Amino acid sequence: DQQVKQNSPSLSVQEGRISILNCDYTNSMFDYFLWYKKYPAEGPTFLISISSIKDKNEDGRFTVFLNKSAKHLSLHIVPSQPGDSAVYFCAASSNTGNQFYFGTGTSLTVIP
Amino acid sequence: DSGVTQTPKHLITATGQRVTLRCSPRSGDLSVYWYQQSLDQGLQFLIQYYNGEERAKGNILERFSAQQFPDLHSELNLSSLELGDSALYFCASSVQIGDTEAFFGQGTRLTVV
Repeated sequence: DQQVKQNSPSLSVQEGRISILNCDYTNSMFDYFLWYKKYPAEGPTFLISISSIKDKNEDGRFTVFLNKSAKHLSLHIVPSQPGDSAVYFCAASSNTGNQFYFGTGTSLTVIP
Repeated sequence: DSGVTQTPKHLITATGQRVTLRCSPRSGDLSVYWYQQSLDQGLQFLIQYYNGEERAKGNILERFSAQQFPDLHSELNLSSLELGDSALYFCASSVQIGDTEAFFGQGTRLTVV
């Protein structure tokens, strides 16, 4: 039962343009959402998070948007850089749960 | 550097064997999680410990077991290994359970031949 879904396995974007990665979840108990970035043969690196009491969180070039009614979140990267090319995982948790639920990842390629 | 240390980085072993993967969490983190990533798959949650106690189990096979020691490091034991157990095994740690980020180690790549 995949409670966190990333329906786009891959995305290609031109350098300097905006990258938008999407994530959907099914469990309404989730109240904390995270994005991780992963390079090959490395562990996932925490990127940005958002609590369910917010609908937007920004950190430099990265912004996460949360739409609770649609159970949807997105990660915007602007401007995209070649170094952003990686697999991005969306994750969710709840303060009553004991694990992070991960999506299957979206592989982002930023073309120079 | 996330502060989470996993050893060994690579492990090659034969079917039927048993291996132990080790994880040292970030200083101060009480919660440890184990994840498995098979080829082209997402991160599958295996098990979680908090301050020495098992708190949650995911899709962990009966052949696998884990523990967290008083010094908070954790070990994942994989026995009667099969070819399909070949994967990246990640450990992550967090300060608390829920509403916080987890930090991942570099992973252990297990190859069963």
